[in-house]
Amino acid sequence: GNSVTQMEGPVTLSEEAFLTINCTYTATGYPSLFWYVQYPGEGLQLLLKATKADDKGSNKGFEATYRKETTSFHLEKGSVQVSDSAVYFCALSVPHTGRRALTFGSGTRLQVQP
Amino acid sequence: AAGVIQSPRHLIKEKRETATLKCYPIPRHDTVYWYQQGPGQDPQFLISFYEKMQSDKGSIPDRFSAQQFSDYHSELNMSSLELGDSALYFCASSLGVTRVTETQYFGPGTRLLVL
Repeated sequence: GNSVTQMEGPVTLSEEAFLTINCTYTATGYPSLFWYVQYPGEGLQLLLKATKADDKGSNKGFEATYRKETTSFHLEKGSVQVSDSAVYFCALSVPHTGRRALTFGSGTRLQVQP
Repeated sequence: AAGVIQSPRHLIKEKRETATLKCYPIPRHDTVYWYQQGPGQDPQFLISFYEKMQSDKGSIPDRFSAQQFSDYHSELNMSSLELGDSALYFCASSLGVTRVTETQYFGPGTRLLVL
């Protein structure tokens, strides 16, 4: 089956530090990969996505590269801000197999301190 | 830009009662997904609809049912509520389930508390 594994949190960083949140996946077929962010008390917001190998998704200073050889989609940001504090979910779907629903990782809570 | 609308935002019910959650997708989106997120958990897929037909089914309990209407809005009906049904229920919509790539956009969720 399909699964997503994320590094456990919480991740606590100081403002302007470099961020990496690891995400690896197992999927039947060729998945599309996503990062969603959930701020306290809010819904899930799409942060970035990549739909094929070597694609790089980017948004708001965050980046992630679809690595087929390592089945990974690690999230990175060069300089985090306090406002980035949230829970980050890595997710996949495999549209061409008919399973379009998202499979999520367990989420990683990021806490950025001023 | 218009987003996914969910109502109500908060709901409190007693055990064994019923609840109905509503979802209004982004205009022109033809597909709706329902997810359940327990406290401290990742969202779990329940069920999805494309063009008013059920397109996929996940871990939806038999006590729950859902449908998509002609205006593409969807309702999740939950009966015989249990304490364990307390969760955040998300609806997501997308355009073009027939496309190779697809992005789901989530609503703010309905927080259900069963007492």
